[in-house]
Amino acid sequence: NAGVTQTPKFQVLKTGQSMTLQCAQDMNHNSMYWYRQDPGMGLRLIYYSASEGTTDKGEVPNGYNVSRLNKREFSLRLESAAPSQTSVYFCASSEVEANYGYTFGSGTRLTVV
Amino acid sequence: QKEVEQNSGPLSVPEGAIASLNCTYSDRGSQSFFWYRQYSGKSPELIMSIYSNGDKEDGRFTAQLNKASQYVSLLIRDSQPSDSATYLCAVNGPSGGYNKLIFGAGTRLAVHP
Repeated sequence: NAGVTQTPKFQVLKTGQSMTLQCAQDMNHNSMYWYRQDPGMGLRLIYYSASEGTTDKGEVPNGYNVSRLNKREFSLRLESAAPSQTSVYFCASSEVEANYGYTFGSGTRLTVV
Repeated sequence: QKEVEQNSGPLSVPEGAIASLNCTYSDRGSQSFFWYRQYSGKSPELIMSIYSNGDKEDGRFTAQLNKASQYVSLLIRDSQPSDSATYLCAVNGPSGGYNKLIFGAGTRLAVHP
């Protein structure tokens, strides 16, 4: 039972390059989320998808786009990477409206040089 | 004022002592409260959830909620070096939306032998 799977685990990009972070969950959860975590700032929500077919902005959406491909998969795209996007990215999922908390993926450590 | 506030620490306790971690939140209508443990370089792991005023115990962990004071705490009894981690408080509720969590920046706990 894999839970929430994120790929890749590590990535180095040059400024201006694009990439997509992949996330998939096998728990039949309705809601999925992308967070970034920076030292001293905790987890900040980038985008979320309350259910298949819907996506909404979170606290820090600028520079990112998302796609809820189906119920299992939720991807995060950086169109033109900037050094300020250097961070650890976590995908998470929840059963219904986060009332039971999230299950997190293992994270992607992204460095933009 | 941040929506969820925690002391950053580090909170240093001797092995076998009780560690007390505190969290305050600003949204009086918040309904669900969670504690996550995050080891260095790893993803957050849900360890406790609490929904009503009072105490909830699970093994060595006790979560305490006081909605009138907008305060939630986590007590760890008989602290072990393996408890050394960052503890994140998370809240859902009206201002953040029921379908997403707002996280505090975390408190780093160090348990020394």
